[in-house]
Amino acid sequence: EVQLVESGGGLVQPGGSLRLSCAASGFTFSSYAMSWVRQAPGKGLEWVSAISGSGGSTYYADSVKGRFTISRDNSKNTLYLQMNSLRAEDTAVYYCAKNQARGYDSSGYPRYYFDYWGQGTLVTVSS
Amino acid sequence: EIVLTQSPATLSLSPGERATLSCGASQSVSSSYLAWYQQKPGLAPRLLIYDASSRATGIPDRFSGSGSGTDFTLTISRLEPEDFAVYYCQQYGSSPYTFGQGTKLEIK
Repeated sequence: EVQLVESGGGLVQPGGSLRLSCAASGFTFSSYAMSWVRQAPGKGLEWVSAISGSGGSTYYADSVKGRFTISRDNSKNTLYLQMNSLRAEDTAVYYCAKNQARGYDSSGYPRYYFDYWGQGTLVTVSS
Repeated sequence: EIVLTQSPATLSLSPGERATLSCGASQSVSSSYLAWYQQKPGLAPRLLIYDASSRATGIPDRFSGSGSGTDFTLTISRLEPEDFAVYYCQQYGSSPYTFGQGTKLEIK
């Protein structure tokens, strides 16, 4: 059974940093790309970042590029999201998700949808 | 960026009825790379449909997806009590991956 368990959320001041973790089990972690998807309170879903199975390729939404860093440790079956320079608009539940791939688009960007999701961890950015 | 617009925003139906949810794209979605997710309050989204019409593992056959290009539909043939939730579409044909704003399916 696929399990994804996020941790690391909490209250942080604007401009602060936080690192989220996602522990994975039930599948061969290194064989799958992973993503972070967030949901602001009462709002819809927003893809944040993705990383290839090897960790060699990373992708970011424009809204977090230059502030967030995705990484993974395949020896620990764990996905991370380092979040710096946090803003009020980053307040959300952050989900990690296992990706399924459908090749690449014309710009070489991978095509991912999300077949399993964790329960999420809440990040609140407020003074 | 492809913008996905879901309609209606809220759909009020009774158990046993048929539900039709729409997802319109601002540009053609390459090769029907579109997924549908169900989300219940306080829970994570669950994948229902991928590649526009393929059911995910364990999804009942009352859920079906159709469409291509810019117009996609999720149909629930006969609503069960557990189907009342929010539904999101997501395109993965081109970067960045985008989601619709959601359709809330509520009990009438």
